[in-house]
Amino acid sequence: DAGVIQSPRHEVTEMGQEVTLRCKPISGHNSLFWYRQTMMRGLELLIYFNNNVPIDDSGMPEDRFSAKMPNASFSTLKIQPSEPRDSAVYFCASSSWLQPQHFGDGTRLSIL
Amino acid sequence: QKEVEQNSGPLSVPEGAIASLNCTYSDRGSQSFFWYRQYSGKSPELIMFIYSNGDKEDGRFTAQLNKASQYVSLLIRDSQPSDSATYLCAVKSGGGADGLTFGKGTHLIIQP
Repeated sequence: DAGVIQSPRHEVTEMGQEVTLRCKPISGHNSLFWYRQTMMRGLELLIYFNNNVPIDDSGMPEDRFSAKMPNASFSTLKIQPSEPRDSAVYFCASSSWLQPQHFGDGTRLSIL
Repeated sequence: QKEVEQNSGPLSVPEGAIASLNCTYSDRGSQSFFWYRQYSGKSPELIMFIYSNGDKEDGRFTAQLNKASQYVSLLIRDSQPSDSATYLCAVKSGGGADGLTFGKGTHLIIQP
């Protein structure tokens, strides 16, 4: 079975540019989660969706961050404008009801 | 503020011995508890989950939960060099599809 698929795997861009990260959850999973991992802060929840509806975005650091889930098989996390402190590994995870979350391979983002 | 605390390590254990990893959490309403393993540069991989007080065994791994003490542990028997990784403790408040609160992880080194 295909796992959670994230793209791109690596992104290097200059400060001020728009960054879009993409995620395809495991088929049949109805919950999708975006996390960010840094050395200083560890793994932090940014936002999650149930049945394509955003439930909790309290972890989104600033208005520069936005996330959408237009359908059950696709989600995006957008940063506009990007800043060097946004550099991190961004993980997408999915789960079905009452089941543990499974993570994608992550996107390593570097903002110069 | 929900918090999950882990000793960052490194925890060094001889091959074949038992590795004991510990975690405490602040939210008494937490319902579900997870252990993820993360190799350097890779994504978190689910090892164990536990919902009820007591022990849960799966192969060489045993998860232990004590809700009264707000304490979760992971025991790895017959430790192998391939077990060397960072182990992340994660907690979920609700029984449904909520986001996880992660500890910063314990770096485990199994010495051949």
